[in-house]
Amino acid sequence: DADVTQTPRNRITKTGKRIMLECSQTKGHDRMYWYRQDPGLGLRLIYYSFDVKDINKGEISDGYSVSRQAQAKFSLSLESAIPNQTALYFCATSAPGGGGELFFGEGSRLTVL
Amino acid sequence: QKEVEQDPGPLSVPEGAIVSLNCTYSNSAFQYFMWYRQYSRKGPELLMYTYSSGNKEDGRFTAQVDKSSKYISLFIRDSQPSDSATYLCAMSDLGSNYQLIWGAGTKLIIKP
Repeated sequence: DADVTQTPRNRITKTGKRIMLECSQTKGHDRMYWYRQDPGLGLRLIYYSFDVKDINKGEISDGYSVSRQAQAKFSLSLESAIPNQTALYFCATSAPGGGGELFFGEGSRLTVL
Repeated sequence: QKEVEQDPGPLSVPEGAIVSLNCTYSNSAFQYFMWYRQYSRKGPELLMYTYSSGNKEDGRFTAQVDKSSKYISLFIRDSQPSDSATYLCAMSDLGSNYQLIWGAGTKLIIKP
């Protein structure tokens, strides 16, 4: 089984719908992240959490919210999806220190029509 | 101007060639430099990790960091079709609590 698991892997939805992407990890890391990836723009940080009680906005948090349900679970919500949120979303984890090495899930491809 | 610049490619080379991938950056505080490899429909995975300046070699891969020029490179020797992927550079510093700053990624194609 993968160390970082994302569900769903693919989702097509309509404008205005609420969407939740879920992430769970078995690496035992305290730090978890949500990124989106768009062609030509690389990876952009949406939210990150250094422990269950710590949630921080990243570079592009508008239109997104997160919930850290447990050390191993971190979910991303789009309250009212819009077409420009169509992207590939990645969850990642890291251990404290160590220069920031990240361990990624396989991604969730979201299409908003 | 982005903090980290990386040519998106695609870069297409014949099998067996030496590949050079590069990133430039503007923040002199960066101390940790990484190269991630991302295959199609997969998440990025760490390929090379370097602290501060110098070279690091791992098999066919060599990472170089030149902090004076704010320039990092990844060399791939004897390139194989299985090396075809997108390569992303990333860097961080202690002051930002190791938050990674990413390049846009270079798509590499190795032709058999």
